[in-house]
Amino acid sequence: AQSVAQPEDQVNVAEGNPLTVKCTYSVSGNPYLFWYVQYPNRGLQFLLKYITGDNLVKGSYGFEAEFNKSQTSFHLKKPSALVSDSALYFCAVRDKDNFNKFYFGSGTKLNVKP
Amino acid sequence: GAGVSQTPSNKVTEKGKYVELRCDPISGHTALYWYRQSLGQGPEFLIYFQGTGAADDSGLPNDRFFAVRPEGSVSTLKIQRTERGDSAVYLCASSPGAGGSEQYFGPGTRLTVT
Repeated sequence: AQSVAQPEDQVNVAEGNPLTVKCTYSVSGNPYLFWYVQYPNRGLQFLLKYITGDNLVKGSYGFEAEFNKSQTSFHLKKPSALVSDSALYFCAVRDKDNFNKFYFGSGTKLNVKP
Repeated sequence: GAGVSQTPSNKVTEKGKYVELRCDPISGHTALYWYRQSLGQGPEFLIYFQGTGAADDSGLPNDRFFAVRPEGSVSTLKIQRTERGDSAVYLCASSPGAGGSEQYFGPGTRLTVT
């Protein structure tokens, strides 16, 4: 079955430190991968996507993600965390056959402490 | 500009009742998606519209769920004979294109079935 997994329910980092939010995928072939962020009482917001090309993808708010085909991972990273980055982060993958169907992970809550 | 809006923001209904949830996508977006998000989970795909037609309704859990988009803009998700297990946040998203385009999410409708 096609899916993504976010192995950490919660990630805690101190402001100014680098952060990583993990995502692994299970899709054969070349996946389309996405990261979204959800702030309290707000809709999900797109951060970045990987379709093809460079394995390091840069997105909004200073976030980036690294696609690693051998490890089937697409971890979200930021060199220096801000308190305002505290939110719920979702990884998603597009169905390999049905291009308009997407599978989301269960989410990782990022807590950035001052 | 205006984002995706959803009404109502909250809906409480009794078991067995019929409910309608409305989504106003971003103007000009041809693709529209409905998702269901249960507590502690990521969004779960329900249905996708391209224009007026339901291009993929494979995520609808059963025939109590139905969605329409008669003029290719506003969409309504309809749930008949609601059950307590239908309680969740229902999310709508729109996209300027299909497949690899990022989605713009509304704030959701929280449905509670008592």
